[in-house]
Amino acid sequence: RKEVEQDPGPFNVPEGATVAFNCTYSNSASQSFFWYRQDCRKEPKLLMSVYSSGNEDGRFTAQLNRASQYISLLIRDSKLSDSATYLCVVNRGSGNQFYFGTGTSLTVIP
Amino acid sequence: DTEVTQTPKHLVMGMTNKKSLKCEQHMGHRAMYWYKQKAKKPPELMFVYSYEKLSINESVPSRFSPECPNSSLLNLHLHALQPEDSALYLCASSIRDRGSRGANVLTFGAGSRLTVL
Repeated sequence: RKEVEQDPGPFNVPEGATVAFNCTYSNSASQSFFWYRQDCRKEPKLLMSVYSSGNEDGRFTAQLNRASQYISLLIRDSKLSDSATYLCVVNRGSGNQFYFGTGTSLTVIP
Repeated sequence: DTEVTQTPKHLVMGMTNKKSLKCEQHMGHRAMYWYKQKAKKPPELMFVYSYEKLSINESVPSRFSPECPNSSLLNLHLHALQPEDSALYLCASSIRDRGSRGANVLTFGAGSRLTVL
C-alpha cells in the first residue's frame, strides 16, 4: 500500500464552484501534513500546512482526520488562477522523509 | 522569488558528458534534498543531506553523485546519463518551521530541466 494516496482527477470545475480534494495516508505515526500547489513546469510551492484543529486561509480550508487517516483541502469560489496540480505531502515527524501523493489536477473553467 | 536557487535552469547533455547541477540556500536550513520529477508524476526523492552528511540515498544509480560542500550548497554531479534520466531535478531544503508548531517544511527551488540526448 502506498504511503500517501490521492485521487489524481482531473477535476474540471466552473468558476465560482467549490471543490474538495482528499488524501489518505497509511502510517498512523505521521505527524505533519501539507498541501502543495504545482503549476505546469514549475516547482511545488507550499499552499498550507494542515493542523489537527483544521485551518483556513481565505478561500482555502484544510482538515485533518487522524482517526480515519485522511486530510482534505476545500477550495471555495474557485478562480481560473486556481488551476494547478495539488500535492498532498506527509511527514512522519521531525525527520527528513516526506511522502508525496500522486497529485490532483484541477482545471477551473470560465 | 524562490529562496532556494538552482542553476542551470535548463541543461542539454549527451550520454558521455559530465555536468553538474547546483543548488544554494541562505535560509539556514540544515537539510537539503534532491528530487527527480517526470511529467505528470510527483517528485521522487533521490538524496537527503542532513547537517552536510548524506542521510538518505534512495538507491539512486551511481551515474548521479551528490555533494554537499557546505550547509548552503548542494551539487548533483551527472555522468554517463541515459535518455530516460531526462526530467526536472528539484532541490529543496527544510528546517523545523517554528511558526508551524514544530513542523519541518520543504521549500523547493525552481528546478533544473535536464534533457539527455
